[in-house]
Amino acid sequence: SQQGEEDPQALSIQEGENATMNCSYKTSINNLQWYRQNSGRGLVHLILIRSNEREKHSGRLRVTLDTSKKSSSLLITASRAADTASYFCATTSAGGTSYGKLTFGQGTILTVHP
Amino acid sequence: GAGVSQSPRYKVAKRGQDVALRCDPISGHVSLFWYQQALGQGPEFLTYFQNEAQLDKSGLPSDRFFAERPEGSVSTLKIQRTQQEDSAVYLCASSLGTPWQYFGPGTRLTVL
Repeated sequence: SQQGEEDPQALSIQEGENATMNCSYKTSINNLQWYRQNSGRGLVHLILIRSNEREKHSGRLRVTLDTSKKSSSLLITASRAADTASYFCATTSAGGTSYGKLTFGQGTILTVHP
Repeated sequence: GAGVSQSPRYKVAKRGQDVALRCDPISGHVSLFWYQQALGQGPEFLTYFQNEAQLDKSGLPSDRFFAERPEGSVSTLKIQRTQQEDSAVYLCASSLGTPWQYFGPGTRLTVL
């Protein structure tokens, strides 16, 4: 079963605008990751934030994590048409023997219009 | 070297047929994962290998699903007596010492 939910389910913006998508999860985590999926390149890892971190930046990406609310957000600044893809958050559970397996959200479909 | 590769990329099977899906992980990657992605959904975990040992198969949906990695490199996911609900994209991923995973392009299975 899916770990949590992402919203919005779909987001349509113009090139140059910022895109924000949110993710909620249910259990305690070691880390939370964001992946991008498009038909050309499959699933690609974008950024990871650990459970003891609150914010992380990588290029045009900014991720926040609120473990008290069990939620995260991904901000893509100055979007480009090439950012058009589905975006998934994925968590690895804390404790136990999860072996690093990922539990994915349902994804946000982002469309960036030129 | 090359990334994770999977074959075939597309597979059409008649209900009741057996299928075998292959994954070639990145060379030297100890960890190998299989996921199933239904249309419009996020991937769901199926099984995990550390080298040749299958340490977690808790996500396999039924005993019709079987996975192996006999020499600790290439892995095969086999589905026996396929059913329509098995239609999905099957993703393989590998990793070595990192919490993130490198995914293959997937095999899209359609069961008629």
